Amino acid sequence: GAGVSQSPSNKVTEKGKDVELRCDPISGHTALYWYRQSLGQGLEFLIYFQGNSAPDKSGLPSDRFSAERTGGSVSTLTIQRTQQEDSAVYLCASSFRGGTSYEQYFGPGTRLTVT
Amino acid sequence: DAKTTQPNSMESNEEEPVHLPCNHSTISGTDYIHWYRQLPSQGPEYVIHGLTSNVNNRMASLAIAEDRKSSTLILHRATLRDAAVYYCILRDVGGQFYFGTGTSLTVIP
Repeated sequence: GAGVSQSPSNKVTEKGKDVELRCDPISGHTALYWYRQSLGQGLEFLIYFQGNSAPDKSGLPSDRFSAERTGGSVSTLTIQRTQQEDSAVYLCASSFRGGTSYEQYFGPGTRLTVT
Repeated sequence: DAKTTQPNSMESNEEEPVHLPCNHSTISGTDYIHWYRQLPSQGPEYVIHGLTSNVNNRMASLAIAEDRKSSTLILHRATLRDAAVYYCILRDVGGQFYFGTGTSLTVIP
């Protein structure tokens, strides 16, 4: 079946511009996560959506970052006024909240480069 | 504050067992222990998870200390395809995952 997809796969933008990154989770998955991974680093949690509950935004690094999840499915991560330190791979994952696994299925990521 | 601590890197010879340690001394009674791995240029993938008892699946085994303050991921026979970064993660009751910095495993032919 279809996995998690993300678009674009690569994005180069100029400092100060806004960018939108899209995530299409696996159909039926109730939870959706956004992470950021800088070169050679581990995963940094950004935001977590679970069903109709208010999202956990505790990982967003600044108010330039925001995310929406429409209709409990597709999610968009928006970065306003991008800075060079925003350059990273942005990973999206979805999971079905059932049983004990909560296994996350990751997308291929969007590589963002801010010049 | 990091919830898990792992060695930055480890090496193993091909076809030998590998024991990847993880400390999680501040684990709460309801936190699950998950392991994911990330192959080069890919997103992380699930390996195994557990709560209190040791767990086995086709990929690996998970040994959890009696006090749950540490755990060990065991790869029974390392192959070159197992070279990856292995993340030890705590997952709370709300479904939030706390990734550590991971252990980069090198498998030597």
